[in-house]
This record gives sequence, structure tokens and C-alpha cells, in this order.
Amino acid sequence: KAGVTQTPRYLIKTRGQQVTLSCSPISGHRSVSWYQQTPGQGLQFLFEYFSETQRNKGNFPGRFSGRQFSNSRSEMNVSTLELGDSALYLCASSLGGGGGTYEQYFGPGTRLTVT
Amino acid sequence: GENVEQHPSTLSVQEGDSAVIKCTYSDSASNYFPWYKQELGKRPQLIIDIRSNVGEKKDQRIAVTLNKTAKHFSLHITETQPEDSAVYFCAASLVKRFGAGTRLTVKP
Repeated sequence: KAGVTQTPRYLIKTRGQQVTLSCSPISGHRSVSWYQQTPGQGLQFLFEYFSETQRNKGNFPGRFSGRQFSNSRSEMNVSTLELGDSALYLCASSLGGGGGTYEQYFGPGTRLTVT
Repeated sequence: GENVEQHPSTLSVQEGDSAVIKCTYSDSASNYFPWYKQELGKRPQLIIDIRSNVGEKKDQRIAVTLNKTAKHFSLHITETQPEDSAVYFCAASLVKRFGAGTRLTVKP
């Protein structure tokens, strides 16, 4: 099976712009979670989508949003970019189901730099 | 909400020694506790996990123990090797909270 893929791999944006990142999960996986990884903050959970519905949400401002399509592919959008949004954005897919007890497989990440 | 604390933040051991990383969680409803290894420039990869109905799980040189009463779980790596050098993350599943990570360095 192909692994989790993310596009683009690298992105440079200017403050105030918006950006959309894409994640394609492993075939058959219905859950996609998004994380922000920065050197000082580790892995911060953004949100999880399961069967096109947001199932869980972390403590990020409303500028961060996402969606999931019927084929389980997911997109994450960040509007009005700030310098502090520079980070590695990782998505992870899993079979899903209740309780979050399925192992997650991470994609390679999208490195976002905001200037 | 769920809070996951991980200690230590850095750990340096000699090759062949054991390494132990500890995590505590706050939500007693959490029932799945994975550990991930992230090598420099690579994605996190699951190395071992444990569910709440089990107290210990072992896979070759890696083991995880869980104490549900005390709400803590630990990763044990025996006979460490230089290729074990990486950042290790613990997580508590219910709301996908990760610990801050432990940078393990194994000196040859």
C-alpha cells in the first residue's frame, strides 16, 4: 500500500496570505489528523476528520481550518498567515473508528515558511 | 482537556546501556498509548503501543509499561545502539495529545 502523501512538501508565503495544504491517506483509512510541529512546541494537534466530519479539534485559532472529501483526502487551510505559523505540518491517517485506538501513520509533512 | 507530560526532554546514554522515558496523562478515559520515534528530517514512526487492558508490552529491545491507576506509562529501550538516537514522543489517544518529546542520544 502507498503511504500517506502530502503536497506540497515546501511552501514559502508572505504574512497575511492564506495557504492550503493537502493530505492523501493510506487507502482504506478514514481518519486524517493534522499536527503542527515546531522545535519549541513539539507536536501540536490541530484537528481530526473522520468520514468528512471534524471529530476532534485542538486549541488553535479559527484561522486554521480543514475539510475532508468523500475519498478521505483532506485539506488544511490557514488564513491571514502570521510569522509564528512557520512550522512543519504533518498529517496522519488511521483506520479511525471510535476511541482513537488505531495507530496513526504520518506523512512526510509540508514545511511552511512565512516571511 | 488531556495533558501529556514527558520526561526527560533530553537523555544521553552510552551504547549498550538502557534508556527510560516517562509520560503522565490527565484524562482517565484515555485507553491507547503509542510511542513514536522521529529521526532527524523524517516523519514520526510508531515503534510500540499499549492499550489500557494491558500492563506491559515488549517487542525485542523495546518495552512499554502502563500504570492506569497512577496515569503514567514508560518506554524502555535496552541494549541501546547509535541508531536508536532520535526524538521519541509519547501520546494519549483520546484527544491525540503528544508529549513534548525526548531527544535520545546514544554515544558509541
